Amino acid sequence: KQEVTQIPAALSVPEGENLVLNCSFTDSAIYNLQWFRQDPGKGLTSLLLIQSSQREQTSGRLNASLDKSSGRSTLYIAASQPGDSATYLCALAEYGNKLVFGAGTILRVKS
Amino acid sequence: EAGVAQSPRYKIIEKRQSVAFWCNPISGHATLYWYQQILGQGPKLLIQFQNNGVVDDSQLPKDRFSAERLKGVDSTLKIQPAKLEDSAVYLCASSTRQGAGTEAFFGQGTRLTVV
Repeated sequence: KQEVTQIPAALSVPEGENLVLNCSFTDSAIYNLQWFRQDPGKGLTSLLLIQSSQREQTSGRLNASLDKSSGRSTLYIAASQPGDSATYLCALAEYGNKLVFGAGTILRVKS
Repeated sequence: EAGVAQSPRYKIIEKRQSVAFWCNPISGHATLYWYQQILGQGPKLLIQFQNNGVVDDSQLPKDRFSAERLKGVDSTLKIQPAKLEDSAVYLCASSTRQGAGTEAFFGQGTRLTVV
């Protein structure tokens, strides 16, 4: 059974810092990995999707990497802003496109 | 392109009552999912539809939860009778097909509080 772990559970940083969120998984038989953002009381917004054959994806200040052999993914946020404050979730797509989620990292960027 | 629509946004009911949630996926998306997100946890898949057929309902508490997707478009998730531990956000998502590697898009969710 796939287990997804996100570290740290919570993170508080001053504005402008670069930061890294970590996601680890136990079964490398995945189709893709998605990083989502969730604001309080809201649904999930897809940030980046990395196919299993890819190593990384970039969108603006966000960069996500995937290392299937070690069972790890990282989400790098450059020059963090208060508007980046949210919960960040990683999810793995298994056979049938079923998503298995981690518990998330709560990020607070202080101005 | 319109996103995944869910209603209601919020619902408060007493235990042992029944409740229903509605989801309208993105037009043309064949695959529809219902997830349950308990506070402080990641979403957990309850049921997955491909068109109007069930692909995976292994984690759906079938003694109290039911879901249907008539005509392969809209879907309804029902809880009867509700328990306190059903308090959660219920998220609906859709994707273009069941195939590997397709991106899932989520609705705003329905926050259920059972008192």
